[in-house]
Amino acid sequence: DAGVTQSPTHLIKTRGQQVTLRCSPKSGHDTVSWYQQALGQGPQFIFQYYEEEERQRGNFPDRFSGHQFPNYSSELNVNALLLGDSALYLCASSLRGPPREKLFFGSGTQLSVL
Amino acid sequence: KNEVEQSPQNLTAQEGEFITINCSYSVGISALHWLQQHPGGGIVSLFMLSSGKKKHGRLIATINIQEKHSSLHITASHPRDSAVYICAVTGTASKLTFGTGTRLQVTL
Repeated sequence: DAGVTQSPTHLIKTRGQQVTLRCSPKSGHDTVSWYQQALGQGPQFIFQYYEEEERQRGNFPDRFSGHQFPNYSSELNVNALLLGDSALYLCASSLRGPPREKLFFGSGTQLSVL
Repeated sequence: KNEVEQSPQNLTAQEGEFITINCSYSVGISALHWLQQHPGGGIVSLFMLSSGKKKHGRLIATINIQEKHSSLHITASHPRDSAVYICAVTGTASKLTFGTGTRLQVTL
């Protein structure tokens, strides 16, 4: 049973470019949440998807957008990249509703913006 | 003030020592999570708590809902316990809010 998988593991982009990160949830999970973790900081919530819609959003600009597919996998898109977008992007999957079990995270995508 | 505060920020211990990491939060929660993050980024969930105490091997987690406080204890610490330990809470809106983490280094 595969856990949460993310791709790619590392990515280098330049300012102004666009990037797409991908996440496949743990088998049986229907909800995907995305987090940004800057170096030395705790993760910050970006947004959460279930039933193919964005359900909650953190304090991130519209340059950050996402999508969820019918198979529950998800993409995170960032447009007009800034140097400050360099971070580890983490995906977590869960079942919709109140937490009933431990969290499951992917290994993350390390994004470097030059 | 952050909604989730952890202490200490950094901790160095010798192998075999008993370790305590503290987490305080200021919002209503439905659950509190203790997470472990090793260099390279991967996060592993250690515990989910909504009340009382849980134990897994050498790890013990407790929560006091009235005081909005949780502790993670590591008994007989080992160098492989070296990692960043993160406290996170699930609020009423089901989104996670994280502490900034406690960096633990266990030496021989």
